[in-house]
Amino acid sequence: GENVEQHPSTLSVQEGDSAVIKCTYSDSASNYFPWYKQELGKRPQLIIDIRSNVGEKKDQRIAVTLNKTAKHFSLHITETQPEDSAVYFCAAHGSSNTGKLIFGQGTTLQVKP
Amino acid sequence: DTEVTQTPKHLVMGMTNKKSLKCEQHMGHRAMYWYKQKAKKPPELMFVYSYEKLSINESVPSRFSPECPNSSLLNLHLHALQPEDSALYLCASSLRTSGSGNEQFFGPGTRLTVL
Repeated sequence: GENVEQHPSTLSVQEGDSAVIKCTYSDSASNYFPWYKQELGKRPQLIIDIRSNVGEKKDQRIAVTLNKTAKHFSLHITETQPEDSAVYFCAAHGSSNTGKLIFGQGTTLQVKP
Repeated sequence: DTEVTQTPKHLVMGMTNKKSLKCEQHMGHRAMYWYKQKAKKPPELMFVYSYEKLSINESVPSRFSPECPNSSLLNLHLHALQPEDSALYLCASSLRTSGSGNEQFFGPGTRLTVL
């Protein structure tokens, strides 16, 4: 069935360093890839997304890249800050038009001051 | 109003109780979703409503019963739950289920504890 693998499961960086989280999806017909940030006790918050007709998208310190051939997409956070500490989930929109998102297992990012 | 709201924030219920979770959005979104999230896990899709019609039921036990009375409201009726149903229940909405406008926005969730 449809699957999204996310790595690493935990990531610890020093403030100011960059962080990269990688996801691989199985359904080659997937066409929409959102990233969510979830702080402890809070709702998942959509921080950036990319569609299959684009290879890269940037929003200030965060960027997402998509390699459709390899079925990989990645989240890049530059100049990390302690408030970036959270769990990050990648997701892929399934090939059907049902709205179903397949989530990765999450990455716990810790930014040390 | 640009947010999804959910009530109650917390709910404790016994295995014989009947309760309901409520979700509301006034963004004109026509797709609404129920997710279940366990600690340290991703959200797990339960139901999808599109234009007030149930379009996905992810083989959810019948003790969970969704209802979409209108395009702004989504309910989840709970009956005879088990302790393992304790979780964070998240509602989400999107303008539509596919194409531009399929971005899903989550509510704050209801933290459910079943005793």
